[in-house]
Amino acid sequence: AQKITQTQPGMFVQEKEAVTLDCTYDTSDQSYGLFWYKQPSSGEMIFLIYQGSYDEQNATEGRYSLNFQKARKSANLVISASQLGDSAMYFCAMREGTRAGSYQLTFGKGTKLSVIP
Amino acid sequence: GAGVSQTPSNKVTEKGKYVELRCDPISGHTALYWYRQSLGQGPEFLIYFQGTGAADDSGLPNDRFFAVRPEGSVSTLKIQRTERGDSAVYLCASSLNTGMEETQYFGPGTRLLVL
Repeated sequence: AQKITQTQPGMFVQEKEAVTLDCTYDTSDQSYGLFWYKQPSSGEMIFLIYQGSYDEQNATEGRYSLNFQKARKSANLVISASQLGDSAMYFCAMREGTRAGSYQLTFGKGTKLSVIP
Repeated sequence: GAGVSQTPSNKVTEKGKYVELRCDPISGHTALYWYRQSLGQGPEFLIYFQGTGAADDSGLPNDRFFAVRPEGSVSTLKIQRTERGDSAVYLCASSLNTGMEETQYFGPGTRLLVL
């Protein structure tokens, strides 16, 4: 089974509008972390936001917020007031806590966001 | 400050050749990770170093792949007898420490093409 599922291969949003990128995850761990990264066409992965499994409040970082619904195992990224520079691939990733000493990230397949002027 | 750097940015080689990919992490970062990203996919974990030692190499696909970090800073990913299926972007990331919330900062990647 996929550990991270991003069901939207591509999304379009009008400039200045908000957009939600979906992410569901699968883990039996009680302690885990969820990350979102942005990958522009240049290829570099840029960290956007983090949510820990024990965090009671949804994470926010500027125009980015994470809609964390633990019971549904979803961690959707919300981008408010979209800008042309937001056009990129967006990856959801998870770090699980089961294996001591293993801090690898498991990534989804990504969503390509295109912002329309 | 300087981010994670990787060299070369692009590498074209022939099937069967040996290649080395270099990663220079952010200064002071103790943890270093290698990932591989195939076209249309998310990055996949290869190996993780804590200091000089490989703490987790469970993602290396086979024994043609090897990585070192002899002084706990720069790391080299080595691929022997390259195959066309090794063509991908190889990403390196580093983090200050290890922990659930530690952010991994990625380099720009090395695009490897095996002809």
